[in-house]
Amino acid sequence: AQSVTQLDSQVPVFEEAPVELRCNYSSSVSVYLFWYVQYPNQGLQLLLKYLSGSTLVKGINGFEAEFNKSQTSFHLRKPSVHISDTAEYFCAVIPPYGGATNKLIFGTGTLLAVQP
Amino acid sequence: DAGVTQSPTHLIKTRGQQVTLRCSPKSGHDTVSWYQQALGQGPQFIFQYYEEEERQRGNFPDRFSGHQFPNYSSELNVNALLLGDSALYLCASSLGGKNTGELFFGEGSRLTVL
Repeated sequence: AQSVTQLDSQVPVFEEAPVELRCNYSSSVSVYLFWYVQYPNQGLQLLLKYLSGSTLVKGINGFEAEFNKSQTSFHLRKPSVHISDTAEYFCAVIPPYGGATNKLIFGTGTLLAVQP
Repeated sequence: DAGVTQSPTHLIKTRGQQVTLRCSPKSGHDTVSWYQQALGQGPQFIFQYYEEEERQRGNFPDRFSGHQFPNYSSELNVNALLLGDSALYLCASSLGGKNTGELFFGEGSRLTVL
């Protein structure tokens, strides 16, 4: 079975500083990997995804993530954050088998708190 | 183009009652998934509806049931409410047939059970 671990429940950072949000997954088979963002009082929005190909994927709002198979990680990065990036970030996986059901397995989330 | 819409946005129930939550998918989408997000937790998959049938189910008791209508809209029903059912219930729509992981979420229905 797949599982996702987000090691940091909260990451405080100053505006314009770089940030990395960590995500590790546990799976005996290849998985598809995703980062979703949830702004206050809103639903989740897809930031970026890794299905195959290049291990460095770029998403919206200047975010990027790198898939590392040997370390089973998919960390999210941004070189310079803005106040508007304050939100909850969720890492998620889908096993590529078992039917095309798009069943996402989410981590517990990391609150990115950007301070002026 | 309307995105995913959910109703009601907030509701309060007492233990033992029943609740029905509603979802209209994004235009052109045929698949609806329901997730439960408890406070401070990530969303947990409840079940998914495709072609008016439950296609996959997560680890939730039979008190949780659903329905999908011919226009692809969906309902989530929870019977015999428990305090632990208090959560944000998220509806997500997608196109069936591919594991793209690209789900479009509504803003959720926040259920409080007293």
